[in-house]
Amino acid sequence: EAEVAQSPRYKITEKSQAVAFWCDPISGHATLYWYRQILGQGPELLVQFQDESVVDDSQLPKDRFSAERLKGVDSTLKIQPAELGDSAMYLCASSPGTGQLQPLHFGNGTRLTVT
Amino acid sequence: GENVEQHPSTLSVQEGDSAVIKCTYSDSASNYFPWYKQELGKRPQLIIDIRSNVGEKKDQRIAVTLNKTAKHFSLHITETQPEDSAVYFCAASIYGNNRLAFGKGNQVVVIP
Repeated sequence: EAEVAQSPRYKITEKSQAVAFWCDPISGHATLYWYRQILGQGPELLVQFQDESVVDDSQLPKDRFSAERLKGVDSTLKIQPAELGDSAMYLCASSPGTGQLQPLHFGNGTRLTVT
Repeated sequence: GENVEQHPSTLSVQEGDSAVIKCTYSDSASNYFPWYKQELGKRPQLIIDIRSNVGEKKDQRIAVTLNKTAKHFSLHITETQPEDSAVYFCAASIYGNNRLAFGKGNQVVVIP
């Protein structure tokens, strides 16, 4: 079964440093999502892409977070500078497309610890 | 935006018994309701979903029921097994945008 790939699996960084996470969705999936999951909470959407375009980034803290999906395939989420409160699991998910009720397929996530 | 709440936060059941988790949602326009299972250190995985034109859906030991009037939906697990121990998340979205709002999750512990 095809899976969403994410790297790194774990990342420890000091506050004020920059970090980046990478996601490769399931082949052919047009929609890509970045979620943040704080320990003990449900995933919260940060940004949603349809192909290379951002369709929803209303919950993305744009002063420090950025996301891109330049060729409409893989994606990078960046945090600069990292803050202690950014410690969380960052999950990438993909689905065949919007406009239909397609289930989301999640990757294994990147667990970020900011010290 | 949509607000999804789950009850109870933790549920312990004896192996073989049934477990029921209830979720409530706020937006009456929501019409897609998936349930995800997340084992410790692993990715959330879809286990069952239901659309608003259906009142109940079943897949082996798992079932989901939807009450649109009361704006709540429930996950039912029968004949629980130790491998059912996990955190279960409910979610809701509005048709067309595929943006899921997740609940905070329920920790289910199956006691052998």
